[in-house]
Amino acid sequence: DVQLLESGGGLVHPGGSLRLACKASGFTFRFFAMTWVRQAPGKGLEWVSSMTSDEAGDGEFFYADFVKGRFTISRDDSKDTLYLQMDDLRAGDTAVYFCAQLAPTVTTGSAVFWGQGTPVTVSS
Amino acid sequence: SYVLTQPPSVSVAPGQTATMTCGGDNLRGKTVHWYQHRPGQAPILVIHFNTDRPSGIPERFSGSKSGDTATLTITRVEAGDEADYYCQVWDTPTNHRVFGGGTKLTV
Repeated sequence: DVQLLESGGGLVHPGGSLRLACKASGFTFRFFAMTWVRQAPGKGLEWVSSMTSDEAGDGEFFYADFVKGRFTISRDDSKDTLYLQMDDLRAGDTAVYFCAQLAPTVTTGSAVFWGQGTPVTVSS
Repeated sequence: SYVLTQPPSVSVAPGQTATMTCGGDNLRGKTVHWYQHRPGQAPILVIHFNTDRPSGIPERFSGSKSGDTATLTITRVEAGDEADYYCQVWDTPTNHRVFGGGTKLTV
């Protein structure tokens, strides 16, 4: 079975950093584009970032405007793991962060498989 | 930035049909996906590529698109269908994945 397990969330002060991880299993991770989506308390789903598979050979990265250079998406195919490095965190980044597999493409593909999410709280 | 507009809420009685819309500029030229999301759970893809139902999704769920409006229809609604439903597209001009604001389905 496909499984995506997020980790790395927690409480951080404004201006601080966190690195989220998403461990994949049950599928050939290196073949798939991946994405991060978040949900702030009382709000809807909000796209954060996506990246292509290294197998696609183009190494494309996409970010929501609110990221503004503060977040970096990456992957380690040898560990079947997707990452989201989050720097200069703000109160507005408080949310549950989900990772998801995209297919067939990073752009028009759908997200069939999702993790359960990891909560991030930015507060002093 | 690209905006997808969904009604905030829809309410139906059990056994009836729920219809939820999603509108956006030039939506006719985009591929629409629909997700169901219950609090505290992972989102579930219920319709992708405008009309296709992923494996395991009941036939009661269907998607359509006409002009710049996409529609998710759930027939014979059950209490377990109560959730938030989001439409989503890829906006090529901005290279952004965009979600609608979501519709809360109350049964």
